[in-house]
Amino acid sequence: DAEITQSPRHKITETGRQVTLACHQTWNHNNMFWYRQDLGHGLRLIHYSYGVQDTNKGEVSDGYSVSRSNTEDLPLTLESAASSQTSVYFCASRGPGRSGNTIYFGEGSWLTVV
Amino acid sequence: GENVEQHPSTLSVQEGDSAVIKCTYSDSASNYFPWYKQELGKRPQLIIDIRSNVGEKKDQRIAVTLNKTAKHFSLHITETQPEDSAVYFCAGGYQKVTFGTGTKLQVIP
Repeated sequence: DAEITQSPRHKITETGRQVTLACHQTWNHNNMFWYRQDLGHGLRLIHYSYGVQDTNKGEVSDGYSVSRSNTEDLPLTLESAASSQTSVYFCASRGPGRSGNTIYFGEGSWLTVV
Repeated sequence: GENVEQHPSTLSVQEGDSAVIKCTYSDSASNYFPWYKQELGKRPQLIIDIRSNVGEKKDQRIAVTLNKTAKHFSLHITETQPEDSAVYFCAGGYQKVTFGTGTKLQVIP
């Protein structure tokens, strides 16, 4: 079955280190998103992409970057990890066809910055 | 951009009672309004959605209503069961979907 997968699922890193969270989807969806989830804030959009070589900033993009070199992958990079970036990160995708506007989420990546 | 507000933030109901969660949105161009359920430690999953050309949609015990004039939409769960306990998120948008801050629903047996 087509799926959207994230790795790593859990990571502990030190302040100041660069961290990359991987996201891979096999639906051939054009639209991909990264959200972070924190208690009391719901799901906040970090970056999103509507296709290869397209990236856009979301509402909480400072300190994060993404790249889209192919349809399947949208890695999220924390340039210099900060304790405020301790969170649960969800990658998501949305495509044309029968799924319409439905956004499908990955299983999440739990990141702790110490 | 779109702004979605969701109320209440927590909701406790007795098993068998109904639960209603309400959301408002700001962008009149928004045409798609999904609802997601997230169980503890799991990913959000779509439970029902509605498009702006429809006023109501039902799926078994779950229904969503949309009032475009007032820019609000609601999730209704009837005959609640303990397994309905979770966090529910509303969302709205056109190209880009914005999520509400979530409602933690507790169904008391």
